[in-house]
Amino acid sequence: GAGVSQSPRYKVAKRGQDVALRCDPISGHVSLFWYQQALGQGPEFLTYFQNEAQLDKSGLPSDRFFAERPEGSVSTLKIQRTQQEDSAVYLCASSSYRSSYNEQFFGPGTRLTVL
Amino acid sequence: QKEVEQNSGPLSVPEGAIASLNCTYSDRVSQSFFWYRQYSGKSPELIMSIYSNGDKEDGRFTAQLNKASQYVSLLIRDSQPSDSATYLCAVNKQDSSASKIIFGSGTRLSIRP
Repeated sequence: GAGVSQSPRYKVAKRGQDVALRCDPISGHVSLFWYQQALGQGPEFLTYFQNEAQLDKSGLPSDRFFAERPEGSVSTLKIQRTQQEDSAVYLCASSSYRSSYNEQFFGPGTRLTVL
Repeated sequence: QKEVEQNSGPLSVPEGAIASLNCTYSDRVSQSFFWYRQYSGKSPELIMSIYSNGDKEDGRFTAQLNKASQYVSLLIRDSQPSDSATYLCAVNKQDSSASKIIFGSGTRLSIRP
């Protein structure tokens, strides 16, 4: 497809489980971003990649959160030992390096529920 | 103080009227500004981006930017029930290089028939 895709769309985890969320950006988009969105709030930045390089991970809330993009295309956000406060929608966005506005286009998100 | 501030609403506007959504930001070095529309249970959809002071029009949407006042707004003309959604204001601090976008909490807009 032409847009950003994410999988799974829904994930239920027991507290303490590890989860992995996948993002497939728009073909050719160099930049990839992960955001966390709590109910009733705007998306909060987690981390960003340019190609395979993770240039900013200042938004990752703890060392339980880890993201990678080894070949500069698909990215995985991993959360270890999930906690209830990790329950949120995780959004991935991509951006073309050639966009002067740095317009970011979002995928459908993964809704994570930690029980 | 939040970096990007929006009135949470809900803002109720009659069908056919103009809806006016406002946003202020705190960092003067901000360069690019965006409006995203988010329907309930869906992801944000980019509807407008603006870079320079003044107005930018696209169909029924007009974005307005005033960097001196650190203020950006979105006008929706001839409001339709399908415009009912949450509108997120977002700000990118860097010019022509990819970096994070800071979002406001969003304004809920309701268009009443």
